[in-house]
Amino acid sequence: EAGVAQSPRYKIIEKRQSVAFWCNPISGHATLYWYQQILGQGPKLLIQFQNNGVVDDSQLPKDRFSAERLKGVDSTLKIQPAKLEDSAVYLCASSEGQQYYNEQFFGPGTRLTVL
Amino acid sequence: AQSVTQLGSHVSVSEGALVLLRCNYSSSVPPYLFWYVQYPNQGLQLLLKYTSAATLVKGINDFEAEFKKSETSFPLTKPSAHMSDAAEYFCAVSPPGFQKLVFGTGTRLLVSP
Repeated sequence: EAGVAQSPRYKIIEKRQSVAFWCNPISGHATLYWYQQILGQGPKLLIQFQNNGVVDDSQLPKDRFSAERLKGVDSTLKIQPAKLEDSAVYLCASSEGQQYYNEQFFGPGTRLTVL
Repeated sequence: AQSVTQLGSHVSVSEGALVLLRCNYSSSVPPYLFWYVQYPNQGLQLLLKYTSAATLVKGINDFEAEFKKSETSFPLTKPSAHMSDAAEYFCAVSPPGFQKLVFGTGTRLLVSP
């Protein structure tokens, strides 16, 4: 079974530029998550989708971050404009559902460096 | 609000020694608890989870954790460390019924020969 795919794996941009990350979840997984992992910290949930609807985006900085999950499969996360403090690893995860027994499977992440 | 505290950002053990990683949680109701492992340049992988069944939970690679309600802790242990166990370990908490994970800051396990 293929895992969660993410691209690119690494990205370096200058502040005020824009960037987009892509995630392809495990086939059939209805729930998709984007996490931000700053160096030395645990992952922090940015946004959660159930199919193509947003379940939780309470910690998403909506003035600069946006995410979409068209057709309930792939998802993109965009930052525009980027700030220095956005340097982090962005992790995508997916699960069959939202219940506690539905394990979240994580992709390898995209490491963003903002100069 | 739920939160997790992992004591010790780094833990060093010798190969074959006991592994003990600490995790304390704060929650108004007994939560669900998880341990994840992250190898370099990889995503997180679930080691084990506590979901209000048995208090002693066994996971992959001989890891286990015990839910200690009176201490509000969920320590992760392994009887004998292996070099391949070197990684970062994250404790996470979730409200009952749902997987809405709040992660701790992580503990890096170093294993020496």
